[in-house]
Amino acid sequence: DAKTTQPPSMDCAEGRAANLPCNHSTISGNEYVYWYRQIHSQGPQYIIHGLKNNETNEMASLIITEDRKSSTLILPHATLRDTAVYYCIVKTTDSWGKLQFGAGTQVVVTP
Amino acid sequence: NAGVTQTPKFQVLKTGQSMTLQCAQDMNHEYMSWYRQDPGMGLRLIHYSVGAGITDQGEVPNGYNVSRSTTEDFPLRLLSAAPSQTSVYFCASSYSFSGSGEQFFGPGTRLTVL
Repeated sequence: DAKTTQPPSMDCAEGRAANLPCNHSTISGNEYVYWYRQIHSQGPQYIIHGLKNNETNEMASLIITEDRKSSTLILPHATLRDTAVYYCIVKTTDSWGKLQFGAGTQVVVTP
Repeated sequence: NAGVTQTPKFQVLKTGQSMTLQCAQDMNHEYMSWYRQDPGMGLRLIHYSVGAGITDQGEVPNGYNVSRSTTEDFPLRLLSAAPSQTSVYFCASSYSFSGSGEQFFGPGTRLTVL
């Protein structure tokens, strides 16, 4: 599976958009990009995933570059409840159940 | 639906004791797995199951045992607890092992081994 690189931490003001980058320069054609988040002491929560097209759901948007070597998770209007560690994971569909979590990005939303 | 449930929420063991962490899901999911999370680190896969009667090892299986006799339940057994097994344990489930989609995680069991 491709390795991902994320910044260790970032701050965001409440009400503003939070843009979380992820680098996956060795991604292969059949690998999806998944985003999960973990609010303190809770189990991880699925956010969104995509292959090459941009995706949007009620929680966030996922923008994948044309060469697929990087992506950005966008939380359009960050709230205090979005404070969490965000994980970018790259997986193929044949064994996507075996998620490999890195250190993630600690996002702190401030009032 | 209750989703993924885990019991107990907290547990303290002495070195050498054995115990079973319980995990259940009511979503009729084929795939279930166990992860551990050490302080300040990401989750690591211990064991997983792609259906009743089928289990396999993940990244860190040593010291743990699993079985899957029903679709709903996937218990994790610690055979002889060691301080290195102090961690937070998460159970997860999803509709299938392959394909794309989300995994649902339980609230976790916080285990301390003295």
